[in-house]
Amino acid sequence: NAGVTQTPKFRILKIGQSMTLQCAQDMNHNYMYWYRQDPGMGLKLIYYSVGAGITDKGEVPNGYNVSRSTTEYFPLRLELAAPSQTSVYFCASSSINDLGETQYFGPGTRLLVL
Amino acid sequence: AQTVTQSQPEMSVQEAETVTLSCTYDTSESNYYLFWYKQPPSRQMILVIRQEAYKQQNATENRFSVNFQKAAKSFSLKISDSQLGDTAMYFCAFMKRDGGSQGNLIFGKGTKLSVKP
Repeated sequence: NAGVTQTPKFRILKIGQSMTLQCAQDMNHNYMYWYRQDPGMGLKLIYYSVGAGITDKGEVPNGYNVSRSTTEYFPLRLELAAPSQTSVYFCASSSINDLGETQYFGPGTRLLVL
Repeated sequence: AQTVTQSQPEMSVQEAETVTLSCTYDTSESNYYLFWYKQPPSRQMILVIRQEAYKQQNATENRFSVNFQKAAKSFSLKISDSQLGDTAMYFCAFMKRDGGSQGNLIFGKGTKLSVKP
């Protein structure tokens, strides 16, 4: 299993440009999450999904959109990039079983908006 | 709202020695999980250890163990026989036990651990 994969690893955007951060998981997890990590900080939740076709906002959703058409993929869309969106973005997935829930993270995408 | 506090921004330890990282949290929930994640320079978030709040027994994973004090809302991580590869940022995190719709992780700001040869 590849686990959670993210592309690209690094990207530079100009202010006002748009892009999609890709996330895929091959563990058949129902739950997927997008976090951002600003320098010197922990991660903050942007959006999450509890299954295909179902998404909801997290703590810091402004400036982002998501979709979840399949279990495997959970892309994050940035419209009209702003310098405040310079961050490292992590995708995570999890499932719930008798042991509870544990989230597994992708390697992250570093985004620089200039 | 839940909060997670890591009061040690940076720590260092000599190789082969033991170090303890502190974490406190605030919640009114009775059912929850606590986690320690490791983030090496590669930025990958790696699960180190996990504790269910309903379990009194402290979790252990090889050289990593926790001291979970539910009444005090404290969740420290002990690393024994420290290795150079343990050098990383360590994040303490909290999650409600209600499932995916409530299951986002609340992270502390992290502790940067340096293991010195």
